[in-house]
Amino acid sequence: EDKVVQSPLSLVVHEGDTVTLNCSYEVTNFRSLLWYKQEKKAPTFLFMLTSSGIEKKSGRLSSILDKKELSSILNITATQTGDSAIYLCAVVGGSSGNTGKLIFGQGTTLQVKP
Amino acid sequence: ETGVTQTPRHLVMGMTNKKSLKCEQHLGHNAMYWYKQSAKKPLELMFVYSLEERVENNSVPSRFSPECPNSSHLFLHLHTLQPEDSALYLCASSRDRDFNYGYTFGSGTRLTVV
Repeated sequence: EDKVVQSPLSLVVHEGDTVTLNCSYEVTNFRSLLWYKQEKKAPTFLFMLTSSGIEKKSGRLSSILDKKELSSILNITATQTGDSAIYLCAVVGGSSGNTGKLIFGQGTTLQVKP
Repeated sequence: ETGVTQTPRHLVMGMTNKKSLKCEQHLGHNAMYWYKQSAKKPLELMFVYSLEERVENNSVPSRFSPECPNSSHLFLHLHTLQPEDSALYLCASSRDRDFNYGYTFGSGTRLTVV
């Protein structure tokens, strides 16, 4: 059965800390891995990763995919209280052909304290 | 706003009621999705519509009935729900089912079944 596992499930840090969130997967026909940030309700898109070893960056956030280890990490440097959210990892895969399925992990709840 | 609008934002219903959730997008996307998000669990895909045709139904109980009258609107009709159906119901859309452009999520409907 296809699955995506995130760790830790929750994390509490102080402003200015650096955090690393993990996502591992066992998915047939892997095509890409996506990270989302969910603050109130609507998850918002952060990154899509398809190639191993190529870091994607957006401000203080960065992410990289390791296809050999079937995993990805999301790094947030110099955290701010506005980074408090649920971070969702999702993998596109699970079927062949031109269409796929988006399989989500449980999410990591990050709380950044002032 | 993300471009995907869901109404109502909150809904409380009894187990014998019939209600409907609405999702609307004007992003020109061809695929629309219903997801269920329960506490501490991964997002669960319920239904997928592509070009107004239902292409996926993930063993969802018949008390949930989707409807897609056109490519911009998606409904989820609810009847005789159970308390365990209480959750956040998220609608999403994508340009196509190839996932090359990711998803856009709505803000969700928080459903409570009493």
